[in-house]
Amino acid sequence: AQKITQTQPGMFVQEKEAVTLDCTYDTSDPSYGLFWYKQPSSGEMIFLIYQGSYDQQNATEGRYSLNFQKARKSANLVISASQLGDSAMYFCAMREGWAAGNKLTFGGGTRVLVKP
Amino acid sequence: GAVVSQHPSRVICKSGTSVKIECRSLDFQATTMFWYRQFPKQSLMLMATSNEGSKATYEQGVEKDKFLINHASLTLSTLTVTSAHPEDSSFYICSARDSKTHSGNTIYFGEGSWLTVV
Repeated sequence: AQKITQTQPGMFVQEKEAVTLDCTYDTSDPSYGLFWYKQPSSGEMIFLIYQGSYDQQNATEGRYSLNFQKARKSANLVISASQLGDSAMYFCAMREGWAAGNKLTFGGGTRVLVKP
Repeated sequence: GAVVSQHPSRVICKSGTSVKIECRSLDFQATTMFWYRQFPKQSLMLMATSNEGSKATYEQGVEKDKFLINHASLTLSTLTVTSAHPEDSSFYICSARDSKTHSGNTIYFGEGSWLTVV
């Protein structure tokens, strides 16, 4: 079974509008972390936001917020006020276990194209 | 913020030769580094976990004799693709964890290396 599932292979969003990228995960470990990364065409992985499994509040970082639904095992990324520079691949990833040294498992990614 | 540097960013090599990619943590120590491979239009797949001073831990299906990993210091891990073939052409990217923090999100990625085997 897939540990991280991103069901949207690609999507268009109008500039200045908000967009939600879906991510569901599967783990039996009570302690885990969820990450979102942005990957532009250059290939670098840009860290966007992190949510720990024990965090009580949804994470927010500027225009990025994470809609953490623990019971549903979902961690959707919301990008508000989309900009042309937001066009990129977006990956959801999970770290299982308490130690930050644990490996990351990535979802298949969602390609976002922001239209002017 | 913390920086992880990868070198080279792009490399072209002939089939049958070996190529080395370096992953260096510039301002922190990393006892653990990770190597991922990404084929075009696909996701990142973990190849191996590089452990300072000990043998790397390889993921299932990754040939350890083909992808040699050396983590000789707290700031450097190297991935050597031996006897490269065109099917090894891919984007290789490393990540490193800051050993001195215990925060869950202290994982930093390098810029990645594009390998083309001709």
